[in-house]
Amino acid sequence: EAGVTQFPSHSVIEKGQTVTLRCDPISGHDNLYWYRRVMGKEIKFLLHFVKESKQDESGMPNNRFLAERTGGTYSTLKVQPAELEDSGVYFCASSHMGQANEKLFFGSGTQLSVL
Amino acid sequence: KQEVTQIPAALSVPEGENLVLNCSFTDSAIYNLQWFRQDPGKGLTSLLLIQSSQREQTSGRLNASLDKSSGRSTLYIAASQPGDSATYLCAVTAGTGNQFYFGTGTSLTVIP
Repeated sequence: EAGVTQFPSHSVIEKGQTVTLRCDPISGHDNLYWYRRVMGKEIKFLLHFVKESKQDESGMPNNRFLAERTGGTYSTLKVQPAELEDSGVYFCASSHMGQANEKLFFGSGTQLSVL
Repeated sequence: KQEVTQIPAALSVPEGENLVLNCSFTDSAIYNLQWFRQDPGKGLTSLLLIQSSQREQTSGRLNASLDKSSGRSTLYIAASQPGDSATYLCAVTAGTGNQFYFGTGTSLTVIP
């Protein structure tokens, strides 16, 4: 069974540019989450999809971040325009039922560097 | 606001030693607690999940305990091996949602 896949694994862009990160959850997992870890800090929640709907986007830092999950399969996270403080590792995770007693399956992350 | 702290930040032990990693959280109203392992350049792997009604979970050489009232959890690793070297992360969820609150992790090195 394929795990959670994220692309690209690394991205280096200049301030002001746009970057789109992609996440393919485990097949059949309705629940998809985005998390972020900036340097030296803990991993923080960004948002949660149930199928194609945003269940909770309370962690999105500002309106430069746009997440989509059209069709309820893969998800994209776009940062436009990117700022220096957006640098970090962006993780995607998925679960089947979205219940709190379920394990989360994480992808390997996308290392984003904004110069 | 939930805050999760992990001590120590880094730990180095000789192979074969038993060790304990600590996790504390400020709000005891959690739904569950998970311990994750992260290898360099890899994603997080869930090791153990303890629901709020449980006090411990075991998997192989790993044992995780939960004391919700005091806001603490420990991860016990028996007979450590070099392959256990990784960063260990603790995360808790509140009952209102599926959002995990993570600690900053403990970087473990097991010396052969």
